[in-house]
Amino acid sequence: AQKVTQAQTEISVVEKEDVTLDCVYETRDTTYYLFWYKQPPSGELVFLIRRNSFDEQNEISGRYSWNFQKSTSSFNFTITASQVVDSAVYFCALSEARYRDDKIIFGKGTRLHILP
Amino acid sequence: EAGVAQSPRYKIIEKRQSVAFWCNPISGHATLYWYQQILGQGPKLLIQFQNNGVVDDSQLPKDRFSAERLKGVDSTLKIQPAKLEDSAVYLCASSLRPDSRGNTIYFGEGSWLTVV
Repeated sequence: AQKVTQAQTEISVVEKEDVTLDCVYETRDTTYYLFWYKQPPSGELVFLIRRNSFDEQNEISGRYSWNFQKSTSSFNFTITASQVVDSAVYFCALSEARYRDDKIIFGKGTRLHILP
Repeated sequence: EAGVAQSPRYKIIEKRQSVAFWCNPISGHATLYWYQQILGQGPKLLIQFQNNGVVDDSQLPKDRFSAERLKGVDSTLKIQPAKLEDSAVYLCASSLRPDSRGNTIYFGEGSWLTVV
């Protein structure tokens, strides 16, 4: 079955600390896509990254980095030198290629508080 | 490029009343989604359109929810009659091409519904 688990419901760190948000997924497909979205208090889901199952290279974008490990079915997200503006709910999501059209399943989200 | 537009932004209604939400996707996006996000949970797909056809409405409570996308562009989601448990954010999203997989899905800011 297709499933995304974000075990951390809520995390609080002090500004400038590094923080890692965990994501574990389940799928029977060999081809799939993983996503991270940020949801600030305004409510809009902001796309951060998409990764396909054949590309296990880690990615860095500024203070953000993602670690994709197929062996453990994990796609973790790290924020380096966190800032107050990073406070939001972060969702990990999965889309399986076997569906005729894109269907994305979300985890329950991790609420991140960055304390000044 | 304009994002996904939704209205109204906020709505408070009494139970058993009706409500309608409108969505205008990103120009040129063939696929349109309506998600329901209950407080503290991840978004749940209600219905997915490709152009003006429905490709997945398996989780839409059809006894009270309806949605249409008549000309393959704008969409309307209606709830009639509303129940207390329908209080949620209704997120509209769109993605570009139906002929490829793993398309990024872009979200609007959501319509926040409170049923009292």
